[in-house]
Amino acid sequence: ETGVTQSPTHLIKTRGQQVTLRCSSQSGHNTVSWYQQALGQGPQFIFQYYREEENGRGNFPPRFSGLQFPNYSSELNVNALELDDSALYLCASTSPWGSTDTQYFGPGTRLTVL
Amino acid sequence: SQQGEEDPQALSIQEGENATMNCSYKTSINNLQWYRQNSGRGLVHLILIRSNEREKHSGRLRVTLDTSKKSSSLLITASRAADTASYFCATDARGNTDKLIFGTGTRLQVFP
Repeated sequence: ETGVTQSPTHLIKTRGQQVTLRCSSQSGHNTVSWYQQALGQGPQFIFQYYREEENGRGNFPPRFSGLQFPNYSSELNVNALELDDSALYLCASTSPWGSTDTQYFGPGTRLTVL
Repeated sequence: SQQGEEDPQALSIQEGENATMNCSYKTSINNLQWYRQNSGRGLVHLILIRSNEREKHSGRLRVTLDTSKKSSSLLITASRAADTASYFCATDARGNTDKLIFGTGTRLQVFP
């Protein structure tokens, strides 16, 4: 167990809708990253938040946005869903002490866009 | 885009055999990590090797790193059916150690 939780586990949406995915990190982990993993592929970095500010972004359009809250929870919002957004979405948190290079992943949210 | 490529894409072995997976990457790194994923669920961190290290061990896992060839290998010794999973290498983006760039993964099947 990594101590990182995500909700919901599964989600089905239709094209054009909006979705919010949630992640709860371990207490004290002030960095959270979000990844998208398409079927049969490795995870791809979407963006990272540090102390509630965006701290780096991958090659994803602005309709992918995020929020991080003081209680170590975070959200990934996707607007105007497209069929290609169907994927497993993973969040990962990083401890500010010890090895800061190890990310702790949640179990993921599987999003299906019809 | 993917940073790394794992080789082979899929590997099937019998319990007790060793499994070797290779990873190649493109840019300079601070460290390289290996993760395991069961059935499309969350990733579990296995081992991290820094760019100034050549070999690292953790239990039945042995990782090597050759920065001159931009490659790494993961060896799982005495494999068990429970080792069946997908294995990914991940490198950091130089200057941003929190952004991981993953390879395409190796699907390992261990038969009892």
